[in-house]
Amino acid sequence: DSGVTQTPKHLITATGQRVTLRCSPRSGDLSVYWYQQSLDQGLQFLIHYYNGEERAKGNILERFSAQQFPDLHSELNLSSLELGDSALYFCASSVGGRAVYEQYFGPGTRLTVT
Amino acid sequence: KNEVEQSPQNLTAQEGEFITINCSYSVGISALHWLQQHPGGGIVSLFMLSSGKKKHGRLIATINIQEKHSSLHITASHPRDSAVYICAVTPNYGGSQGNLIFGKGTKLSVKP
Repeated sequence: DSGVTQTPKHLITATGQRVTLRCSPRSGDLSVYWYQQSLDQGLQFLIHYYNGEERAKGNILERFSAQQFPDLHSELNLSSLELGDSALYFCASSVGGRAVYEQYFGPGTRLTVT
Repeated sequence: KNEVEQSPQNLTAQEGEFITINCSYSVGISALHWLQQHPGGGIVSLFMLSSGKKKHGRLIATINIQEKHSSLHITASHPRDSAVYICAVTPNYGGSQGNLIFGKGTKLSVKP
């Protein structure tokens, strides 16, 4: 158990809908990273938050947004869903900051768009 | 061309064999990570290294910064080692904040 929690574990929804994925980092970790794992693209970095502030963006679509709340949990919002958004979404947490730290992954949320 | 390349893509071994998975990268890095993903999907960090060699149980990871190459070795492989092993790097170019760039993974199957 990494100490990182993600809810829900599974999500099935229809095209055009909007969903919210939630991540709670390990106690004491200030950084949250969101990653998407799809069959064709593999694992890709989406966005990074540190202590409530957005720090870096990767291949995140404009239809997707995220935030990190004062209690450090983070939410990833996916809107106008398309079939191609079906994927495993992981969050990872680390102590954070500009130095490099080991990242601890949550169990992931499997999103299926039908 | 992918910034992180792994080989082989698939690997089948007999229990007890010595296994090597290779990773090459083309960007400057602050660290290299080896991750393990089990069939259930969960990802576990095995190693984070920026130089030399690290060992944990039957797993050994090495990195050659000059050659931009890392290897993951598994000694005395066991069926429970069956998983996808993913190499990832933390790039050190401007704007990077510790996010990872991933290889496509090596699917390892160890037969009893």
